[in-house]
Amino acid sequence: DTGVSQDPRHKITKRGQNVTFRCDPISEHNRLYWYRQTLGQGPEFLTYFQNEAQLEKSRLLSDRFSAERPKGSFSTLEIQRTEQGDSAMYLCASSLVFSGANVLTFGAGSRLTVL
Amino acid sequence: DAKTTQPPSMDCAEGRAANLPCNHSTISGNEYVYWYRQIHSQGPQYIIHGLKNNETNEMASLIITEDRKSSTLILPHATLRDTAVYYCIVREGNNRLAFGKGNQVVVIP
Repeated sequence: DTGVSQDPRHKITKRGQNVTFRCDPISEHNRLYWYRQTLGQGPEFLTYFQNEAQLEKSRLLSDRFSAERPKGSFSTLEIQRTEQGDSAMYLCASSLVFSGANVLTFGAGSRLTVL
Repeated sequence: DAKTTQPPSMDCAEGRAANLPCNHSTISGNEYVYWYRQIHSQGPQYIIHGLKNNETNEMASLIITEDRKSSTLILPHATLRDTAVYYCIVREGNNRLAFGKGNQVVVIP
């Protein structure tokens, strides 16, 4: 079990640059989630995929953010024209619903610092 | 907004049982309660979940009240490595799990 992998673990960028994060979920999981976490706060939901379909997006996901899961396997989260307020930990999680329970397995996160 | 209420912080003694409370008074009949914890700078780690019955695994026990409006996570013998932020979570909307600010638990030697 390789768990959920996220890459890169750390990214420092200048304001206005584009960044992309990748998430590789657990292979048999059909659901994939992106969350964002700022200092002192709990994770906040951004978006969710079931297989390749993006089924829900938070209002936190502005038009500068885009997420894809092209073949229902790995996912990417791109932030265009980064702002200092985008500095946060971006967490990916995957799950397989069983008996009505939806247990998410999280990756270690990708920490973004926008200068 | 999260649908659960937890104390913002608590201390517990190493080697003793730690009882972490959570209120979820608006939970619906078919919603599970999930517990996660997060150690500094790491992703949240799943602990346990339950629906109606009490549950136990190698990490913890979960006690759910009969009316399902509250639950308690029990760490039977707290160690220093159990120091973390603990989140009690129920489903929000169709498929998302909504985290609040959690309960910062500090295990004291």
